[in-house]
Amino acid sequence: GNSVTQMEGPVTLSEEAFLTINCTYTATGYPSLFWYVQYPGECLQLLLKATKADDKGSNKGFEATYRKETTSFHLEKGSVQVSDSAVYFCALDQAGTALIFGKGTTLSVSS
Amino acid sequence: GAVVSQHPSWVICKSGTSVKIECRSLDFQATTMFWYRQFPKQSLMLMATSNEGSKATYEQGVEKDKFLINHASLTLSTLTVTSAHPEDSSFYICSAKSRWETDTQYFGPGTRLTVL
Repeated sequence: GNSVTQMEGPVTLSEEAFLTINCTYTATGYPSLFWYVQYPGECLQLLLKATKADDKGSNKGFEATYRKETTSFHLEKGSVQVSDSAVYFCALDQAGTALIFGKGTTLSVSS
Repeated sequence: GAVVSQHPSWVICKSGTSVKIECRSLDFQATTMFWYRQFPKQSLMLMATSNEGSKATYEQGVEKDKFLINHASLTLSTLTVTSAHPEDSSFYICSAKSRWETDTQYFGPGTRLTVL
């Protein structure tokens, strides 16, 4: 069945460091891929998405590229800020069904 | 952006009581709503999918008679935890999809249920 695997956390970085959170997926066909973020005490929010191979989603300095050959959708940011501290979830959505989430990666950024 | 609300945000109840949680899409019509359950330090687990006007589709292992879902209108879905027990204590989150933006889900803030 479909599944999402993302790197275990927590990830602890200093401000302005480079961030990568790995995400790989297993699915038949061509799912849409998402990164959601949950800031402390807030709802899950869509961070970015990509709906087909080679698409790059981007938002707030974060980027992720849909790589079908490696079944990956790694999240990157060139220079993290303290305000980026949150839990990040990779997810896939196939054929308009419910999202399948990874386990989440906690990012902690210190100044 | 689209807003989804949940009520109540926090509920504490005695074992054996039933608890109803509401999920509302405030500024869009939600043809499909989803109910998730999140355990501490774990990811969201899909419980059921509900389409307006039809019966919910439950995931394997989720008791239909325990978790009653009603999606009576395009802006409201309810989850009722019947005869709640301490093991039902969890964080319940709903999400909704607009009929016009079918690949994006908007999440509610969640409901923390504690059963004593």
